Amino acid sequence: SQTIHQWPATLVQPVGSPLSLECTVEGTSNPNLYWYRQAAGRGLQLLFYSVGIGQISSEVPQNLSASRPQDRQFILSSKKLLLSDSGFYLCAWRRSSYNSPLHFGNGTRLTVT
Amino acid sequence: RKEVEQDPGPFNVPEGATVAFNCTYSNSASQSFFWYRQDCRKEPKLLMSVYSSGNEDGRFTAQLNRASQYISLLIRDSKLSDSATYLCVVNESDTGRRALTFGSGTRLQVQP
Repeated sequence: SQTIHQWPATLVQPVGSPLSLECTVEGTSNPNLYWYRQAAGRGLQLLFYSVGIGQISSEVPQNLSASRPQDRQFILSSKKLLLSDSGFYLCAWRRSSYNSPLHFGNGTRLTVT
Repeated sequence: RKEVEQDPGPFNVPEGATVAFNCTYSNSASQSFFWYRQDCRKEPKLLMSVYSSGNEDGRFTAQLNRASQYISLLIRDSKLSDSATYLCVVNESDTGRRALTFGSGTRLQVQP
């Protein structure tokens, strides 16, 4: 069966510090990978998605970046965090077929202070 | 206009009640549809896919109306444990964008 791991679960970082969140998927190959953010009390905002190694699509301009160095690894980064980067970050995967649902990791709750 | 719209609620219903949520989508070429459930401070979890002919899973029934561009979720015999936010999700496969679009969610509170 497929599993998705995301870490850390919680993170408190000062403004201006760097960020690295990692996500890995097991039990499948060539998944589509996604990073979403959810602000408190709000809906899910798609940040990045990837359909293959080194292929990253960005949905919104921001000070975040994503990378996919390996088939089942997806990394979200920032060089300098802003207060507005606080939120609940969710990694997800799905098969590449159009009718496949998304499967989420447990999420990382980031607080920028 | 939002691509996927949901009534945010909250829907406050007593235990045992039947409750229904609708979700409208703007892209008529959308190909696949899902309902997710999200508990407070947790990740969304797949509740059920929505098939063209409608489908049922226990107390939950999902339906798709392509002509009017909406999907619905019906919950029968509500339990306290059904209290959560229900997210409607649409796959707009004609855009080349390999991502799903989420509604903002409908909050359900089942009361004893």
